[in-house]
Amino acid sequence: KNQVEQSPQSLIILEGKNCTLQCNYTVSPFSNLRWYKQDTGRGPVSLTIMTFSENTKSNGRYTATLDADTKQSSLHITASQLSDSASYICVVSDRGSTLGRLYFGRGTQLTVWP
Amino acid sequence: EAGVAQSPRYKIIEKRQSVAFWCNPISGHATLYWYQQILGQGPKLLIQFQNNGVVDDSQLPKDRFSAERLKGVDSTLKIQPAKLEDSAVYLCASSPTDGVGYEQYFGPGTRLTVT
Repeated sequence: KNQVEQSPQSLIILEGKNCTLQCNYTVSPFSNLRWYKQDTGRGPVSLTIMTFSENTKSNGRYTATLDADTKQSSLHITASQLSDSASYICVVSDRGSTLGRLYFGRGTQLTVWP
Repeated sequence: EAGVAQSPRYKIIEKRQSVAFWCNPISGHATLYWYQQILGQGPKLLIQFQNNGVVDDSQLPKDRFSAERLKGVDSTLKIQPAKLEDSAVYLCASSPTDGVGYEQYFGPGTRLTVT
């Protein structure tokens, strides 16, 4: 069964600290993995998209890694800011058809305290 | 470039009533998606359109949900009759092609509360 599991479910950190969010998936075949940030009351916004051949991609203070062999990804946030408080969703796309399906994780709710 | 527009932003209805949501995708985007996001969960795809044709509606509860995309641009999602478990945020997204490897742009969502 194609699934995307994220951990932790929620996380609280102090402003300025770093943190790492985890994503494990069983989606097969695999096309790409995305990390989205969803602020409260808003739609998700893409942070990174990685294909099979990419094992790291950065977007400012956000760095995503991908290990396609172990089917694991992480999102590392450096020097956190209050505005980083949001839900972070891992999404995996298959390539089983020309119009691939997206599989969403439940998200990690990050709260950054001053 | 203007983003994906959705309306209304909030809706409160009683169970067994009907409701409709509207989505205007980014201009030129061929693919449009409707998602249901229950509190604390990731979005679940309800239906995917490619232009004005349905690509995937396997998770759409067709006994009560319907969607259309007239002329391959705007789309409406309807629930009739609503149930308590339909309380969720309904997200619309669009993509320039089929979405695989291409960016999906999400609207702000419509928060539906069924009482």
